[in-house]
Amino acid sequence: DVKVTQSSRYLVKRTGEKVFLECVQDMDHENMFWYRQDPGLGLRLIYFSYDVKMKEKGDIPEGYSVSREKKERFSLILESASTNQTSMYLCASSLFLADGYTFGSGTRLTVV
Amino acid sequence: DAKTTQPNSMESNEEEPVHLPCNHSTISGTDYIHWYRQLPSQGPEYVIHGLTSNVNNRMASLAIAEDRKSSTLILHRATLRDAAVYYCILRDVRTGGTSYGKLTFGQGTILTVHP
Repeated sequence: DVKVTQSSRYLVKRTGEKVFLECVQDMDHENMFWYRQDPGLGLRLIYFSYDVKMKEKGDIPEGYSVSREKKERFSLILESASTNQTSMYLCASSLFLADGYTFGSGTRLTVV
Repeated sequence: DAKTTQPNSMESNEEEPVHLPCNHSTISGTDYIHWYRQLPSQGPEYVIHGLTSNVNNRMASLAIAEDRKSSTLILHRATLRDAAVYYCILRDVRTGGTSYGKLTFGQGTILTVHP
């Protein structure tokens, strides 16, 4: 089975810090995605990437950037963390865009 | 983007079939219908997807209306482990389309399974 691993399950950061959320998949998938999930708002797409060094904005990219230097790794970067970025962050991957996604277990980020 | 409409919640008894409906009246010809579920404190889990024909896998069946404006996820025998939020999602895979590759989650249906 494909495994999507997010480096941290829980993270607490201070306002203004630069935060890196790491995601690694082990099945040579082309496509990788970052979502955030908030109560009442569901899952919202932040960024996605369909190839190494390629990235596309999702629905809520403001305040975030991403990096995909290697196929298996997709990093989400909060340039200057703010309290409204407190959320559950979910990474996903898929081989082809028509396929189902495999999600990681999520990183619950708290910005204080 | 084409949207989906699902009931907020449904209930079922253990070992009974469950039919989870989804309406997508503005679906386009290039939209795949995907279903995911999310258990508490976990990431979403892929369940099944289809384009036009009904689909079966080990987890569930997907019945797609002939006009594709609605679909139904069928759990043949619900178990307590099936209690989750179920999401019906349309996936546009047109190259160059504005929603290319996106998987937009709505609010989903909360399924409660009673022993």
